[in-house]
Amino acid sequence: SSELTQDPAVSVALGQTVRITCQGDSLRSYYASWYQQRPGLAPVLVISGPDNRPSGIPDRFSGSTSGSTASLAITGAQAEDEADYYCISRDSSGTHLVFGGGTKLTVL
Amino acid sequence: QVQLVQSGPEVKKPGASVKVSCKTSGYSFNTYGINWVRQAPGQGLEWLGWISTYNGHTVYPQNVQGRVTMTTNTSTSTAYMELRSLRSDDTAVYYCARGGDILTVRAPDYWGLGTLVTVSS
Repeated sequence: SSELTQDPAVSVALGQTVRITCQGDSLRSYYASWYQQRPGLAPVLVISGPDNRPSGIPDRFSGSTSGSTASLAITGAQAEDEADYYCISRDSSGTHLVFGGGTKLTVL
Repeated sequence: QVQLVQSGPEVKKPGASVKVSCKTSGYSFNTYGINWVRQAPGQGLEWLGWISTYNGHTVYPQNVQGRVTMTTNTSTSTAYMELRSLRSDDTAVYYCARGGDILTVRAPDYWGLGTLVTVSS
């Protein structure tokens, strides 16, 4: 079982704001990063902890952390944002990385 | 531009070994570590470990410790991941991904396209 917990599925209406969360005790000490993965493709980094967007990632993507919960927000979701989203951070030992179980985002 | 080009698909029998390669370009190889990640069909991402391209130091999670070996060849800017004693549940797409500096494990930024490894009798 993953030390980082994500909701399996979330939906959002086109143009609305959605928040995808990632919970884990290690997030009190370490930042999370976030990946978008479309079907059949490799993951793409969208947020590097705590809230850094790589070049080419739209500014509608943002990250934040509060306590043991990291969040990825998409402000004004677009159809092309429909994908799986994974968080990653260190585990409780601090020496290994661990992924959350992933969240499937549906844009309605 | 940063690129990680992985070797082609593999089909192996249970108990065999597989070695996946990851040739990098577009950056200085020995200034970033390499992570390996796998994804079983229809499942999530699983971190398999990290190697420092500077000194060869490796970090493996317990669930693959003893079966996995990560190495690098700095002369060709290539990283390798070998997994032994393959089982059917090792069937997955295996990704290499750049991440971390010379001494520290960090989440990856650039990813290869993946290598499908199928384990079947």
